[in-house]
Amino acid sequence: EIVLTQSPGTLSLSPGERATLSCRASQSVSSSSLAWYQQRPGQAPRLLIYDASTRATGIPDRFSGGGSGTDFTLTISRLEPADSAVYFCQQFGTSPRLAFGGGTKVEI
Amino acid sequence: EVQLVASGGGLIQPGGSLRLSCVASGFTVSDNYMSWVRQAPGKGLEWVSVLYSAGNTYYADSVRGRFTISRDNSKNTLYLQMNSLRAEDTAVYYCAREYYFGALDIWGQGAMVTVSS
Repeated sequence: EIVLTQSPGTLSLSPGERATLSCRASQSVSSSSLAWYQQRPGQAPRLLIYDASTRATGIPDRFSGGGSGTDFTLTISRLEPADSAVYFCQQFGTSPRLAFGGGTKVEI
Repeated sequence: EVQLVASGGGLIQPGGSLRLSCVASGFTVSDNYMSWVRQAPGKGLEWVSVLYSAGNTYYADSVRGRFTISRDNSKNTLYLQMNSLRAEDTAVYYCAREYYFGALDIWGQGAMVTVSS
């Protein structure tokens, strides 16, 4: 079973700054299987990135994903107040079929 | 507009049953892989179940044997039948469409299920 560990737990930054979020897998995973989501309070998650680095429809280019193997990152440049949310990484595998990281809270 | 609208949540006693519904618009449920994901209060996301377009079903270990995923093609609706409910099943349940290697691109608004006596 693959375990995804996200760090840091909370990130407090100012508008205009850059946020770098980490997602580490307990074993090597295919980049095709790695996705990132944003969840604002009281809302459903929203797909940001899939295939480790491909932005979903309508996602601004301030959001970028990268990494391979066991280490993946989500970078949010030029932070805006609306970026305040919890960010989850997710991996598609076999057991469980979809595994989620514990989340990183970004406070602007 | 492409969207999912979930319903059927509520307060239920331990051991009880509940069925969640998820109506799709703008796309066809039976043409897609459809999942249920839940989130306990203040916690992270947990995958629950998936229904393939071909009809295959898969479940998380925590719900296997108690939950059943299904669909009604005529109503373009996904369901989650939940039996033998436990306190630890308390969560917001989201339905979602799988897009690419498990990435979930369309989410419903969530249905709250509270299991308590």
